[in-house]
Amino acid sequence: EPEVTQTPSHQVTQMGQEVILRCVPISNHLYFYWYRQILGQKVEFLVSFYNNEISEKSEIFDDQFSVERPDGSNFTLKIRSTKLEDSAMYFCASSGESRYNEQFFGPGTRLTVL
Amino acid sequence: TQLLEQSPQFLSIQEGENLTVYCNSSSVFSSLQWYRQEPGEGPVLLVTVVTGGEVKKLKRLTFQFGDARKDSSLHITAAQPGDTGLYLCAGEDQAGTALIFGKGTTLSVSS
Repeated sequence: EPEVTQTPSHQVTQMGQEVILRCVPISNHLYFYWYRQILGQKVEFLVSFYNNEISEKSEIFDDQFSVERPDGSNFTLKIRSTKLEDSAMYFCASSGESRYNEQFFGPGTRLTVL
Repeated sequence: TQLLEQSPQFLSIQEGENLTVYCNSSSVFSSLQWYRQEPGEGPVLLVTVVTGGEVKKLKRLTFQFGDARKDSSLHITAAQPGDTGLYLCAGEDQAGTALIFGKGTTLSVSS
């Protein structure tokens, strides 16, 4: 069964450093998303991406964040200058042509900012 | 602001018991999705309910969407230890791309 994959599974970085989180969405999906989940809190939407551009973003997704689809398979989230409060699980999701926006999530990347 | 409130937040039961968890909102949603999440993993989609009053069954799990499409429930019959996990409801926001998640119900089933 096709699935969303994410790398790395864990990333530890120093405050102020740039990180890139990578995702390979399900191959025939057209919509891509990033969410984050701070430990003990609910899953929060960051950004959605369709047709090579951002279609929606939340208040969390400020100028420090960017997304890119550099080739036909990868979807990346870059955090330019990480802060302590960026420590969280980051989930990539993708969805296809379903009318009801059924999103399929990857296993997540645990980002720890020291 | 669209919010989804889930209750109870925690539920600890014995194997074989039945349980119901709830997902409520003051907003109307075009559809609601139920996910299950294990510690350290991503949410796994269980079901999508789309029509007011709809009931969907997935083995021992029964999902219902309220008539007004503002609430949903998940009923588990004869719970088993393998049902242990975090159950999340999520609905599409008004812009139509983001999912809004509830905080979830953490279920623990002991044998």
